[in-house]
Amino acid sequence: EAQVTQNPRYLITVTGKKLTVTCSQNMNHEYMSWYRQDPGLGLRQIYYSMNVEVTDKGDVPEGYKVSRKEKRNFPLILESPSPNQTSLYFCASGRGVGAGDTEAFFGQGTRLTVV
Amino acid sequence: RKEVEQDPGPFNVPEGATVAFNCTYSNSASQSFFWYRQDCRKEPKLLMSVYSSGNEDGRFTAQLNRASQYISLLIRDSKLSDSATYLCVVNPYSGGGADGLTFGKGTHLIIQP
Repeated sequence: EAQVTQNPRYLITVTGKKLTVTCSQNMNHEYMSWYRQDPGLGLRQIYYSMNVEVTDKGDVPEGYKVSRKEKRNFPLILESPSPNQTSLYFCASGRGVGAGDTEAFFGQGTRLTVV
Repeated sequence: RKEVEQDPGPFNVPEGATVAFNCTYSNSASQSFFWYRQDCRKEPKLLMSVYSSGNEDGRFTAQLNRASQYISLLIRDSKLSDSATYLCVVNPYSGGGADGLTFGKGTHLIIQP
């Protein structure tokens, strides 16, 4: 089954404790991206990756890191989480430029609470 | 100016009614258009693409007006299960690619029994 898998689905952590949210896709997509979604603000892009070892900042990258060492995985790292990073996070993947197929496939989301 | 704008709602509509909402986009060179559906606290999923000639999928009809730079979604005979947030999505780049997708903030629809 084609899917994007995020883990964990729910996470409560304390300020300053490093955490990683994993994302994996089995569709051989070039493009992967992380979004956060907050009430009234819609989906805001954090980081994206066009392919292995190619990552770039989105609209709200501060406080986050990513890596793309393998095509299927795109982890999101919070080195020192703060309460303003409490949010619903989505990973997405899709085919890249020129593919003609622009559907984005989303993971089920990770609800993060930083206290 | 925001790239993709939608009325956030909520739209409260009785079951069985027809409901329509629009979205406007700022980039006149935008190439492709979509509606995504997002249930409460779940991930967005593609509902339908929007073609220049308009397209229909069951009770759902999507239309594009390039001259006025808006797309619309019409839902006929609405069901309780249609309650969701509908995201307008635009790709400004030719050649496609999911990297170009720009999401609106969504319109919240509530179908009432």
